[in-house]
Amino acid sequence: NAGVMQNPRHLVRRRGQEARLRCSPMKGHSHVYWYRQLPEEGLKFMVYLQKENIIDESGMPKERFSAEFPKEGPSILRIQQVVRGDSAAYFCASSTRVSNTEAFFGQGTRLTVV
Amino acid sequence: AQSVTQPDIHITVSEGASLELRCNYSYGATPYLFWYVQSPGQGLQLLLKYFSGDTLVQGIKGFEAEFKRSQSSFNLRKPSVHWSDAAEYFCAVGPAGGTSYGKLTFGQGTILTVHP
Repeated sequence: NAGVMQNPRHLVRRRGQEARLRCSPMKGHSHVYWYRQLPEEGLKFMVYLQKENIIDESGMPKERFSAEFPKEGPSILRIQQVVRGDSAAYFCASSTRVSNTEAFFGQGTRLTVV
Repeated sequence: AQSVTQPDIHITVSEGASLELRCNYSYGATPYLFWYVQSPGQGLQLLLKYFSGDTLVQGIKGFEAEFKRSQSSFNLRKPSVHWSDAAEYFCAVGPAGGTSYGKLTFGQGTILTVHP
C-alpha cells in the first residue's frame, strides 16, 4: 500500500509563474490536508478537502492560492503568480473518516521561487 | 484559538544520555496529541499519538510521551539517545471527534543534535 505521494519533490519557478503541486492520498483515504512549512518554522495548516469539496480553507492566503480534490485524480494545490515569499515546503496529508485515526504525511514538495 | 509551544528551539545531548522534549498546548477541548520527527529534506514521520486512555504512550524508536491534562503538556522522552535520533521534532494537536483528524496545529519544532 503506497503512502501519500506528492510530486514533484522539487519545483523551481520564476516570479510570476504558476506552481502546481500534486498529492495522491493513500488508498482508501478520502480526506486531504495541505500544509506549508516556511524556512525554520513549523507546519501551518492551509486547507482541508474531501472529494469535490473544500471543507475548511481557513489557512489559505486570500489571493493566488487555490486547491481542489476532484472526483478522479490527485489533489492539486495551485499557486498563481508566485513570489519569493512562496518559497517553502508544501506537505500533503491524508486520512480516512474513521475515528481515532491519524493523518499520514507525504514527503513534501519544495518550491523555490527565483 | 489553539496553540502549541515547544519552548526549546535547539537541544544538544550526548549519545546515550536521556532526552526530554517539552510541549505545551492551549486547546478549547480535549485534543488529540502527536509527536512527529522530520529529518532534513524529508517528510514527517509519526512517533506516537495520544487519543484517550493511558496517559503514558509508547511510540516507535524507543520514544514515549506523557499526557498531563493539568499541565496541558505532552512531553516526549527517550531514556538513551542514539546518533540517528538527530532530527527536528514537532509536537502537534488536533481536534478530538469530528472528521477533520488531519487538521493539526504544530509547534515550532525542536532541533535535536546528538554528540558522539
